[in-house]
Amino acid sequence: AQKITQTQPGMFVQEKEAVTLDCTYDTSDPSYGLFWYKQPSSGEMIFLIYQGSYDQQNATEGRYSLNFQKARKSANLVISASQLGDSAMYFCASPSGGGADGLTFGKGTHLIIQP
Amino acid sequence: EPEVTQTPSHQVTQMGQEVILRCVPISNHLYFYWYRQILGQKVEFLVSFYNNEISEKSEIFDDQFSVERPDGSNFTLKIRSTKLEDSAMYFCASRWAGTGNGYTFGSGTRLTVV
Repeated sequence: AQKITQTQPGMFVQEKEAVTLDCTYDTSDPSYGLFWYKQPSSGEMIFLIYQGSYDQQNATEGRYSLNFQKARKSANLVISASQLGDSAMYFCASPSGGGADGLTFGKGTHLIIQP
Repeated sequence: EPEVTQTPSHQVTQMGQEVILRCVPISNHLYFYWYRQILGQKVEFLVSFYNNEISEKSEIFDDQFSVERPDGSNFTLKIRSTKLEDSAMYFCASRWAGTGNGYTFGSGTRLTVV
């Protein structure tokens, strides 16, 4: 995707609640993918989940799922039963569409889980 | 689980000096990338490398930057004459083939230019 938009700069959520992190994208490519990465305060980028535009089912990985609405160009990350360790920055990203497909990232959402 | 290794984890350099950031991608991966993240900002694509040459580069990747894969395992980013605004976290990433295969990131090098 050429542009990724994350409209929630920060979120506070109570522990054990579900949380939805928003991501919309803009692309003219017929085939594309959406990634979510977690960046804890230690700084590393941790891959969470991937959704391909032609995948029939919404992606799920443990407590992470992707609410993919192609017509609305949104790929929201849902974290079920949030834990204190989920506190981190979360980035939505998509390959740029060029040959080697560097990722274009959104600005991120800073999620804080409160006990 | 295979991982991307970056060294050093932190580097402080004086303005105008050359720096080389090093990365060892996952051994059977084919595509290699450098990204930059200025403190508190989003991750920005710098350059991608495939088949021993640059595939794409962003407008950030100007003549001060270069990349090399000198020996089939290491992948380096060189900044020739560092500026204060080059201070950032630099991430190396690699992937095998097909964008559905996750991009694996290294843990980053925090570069501080003083």
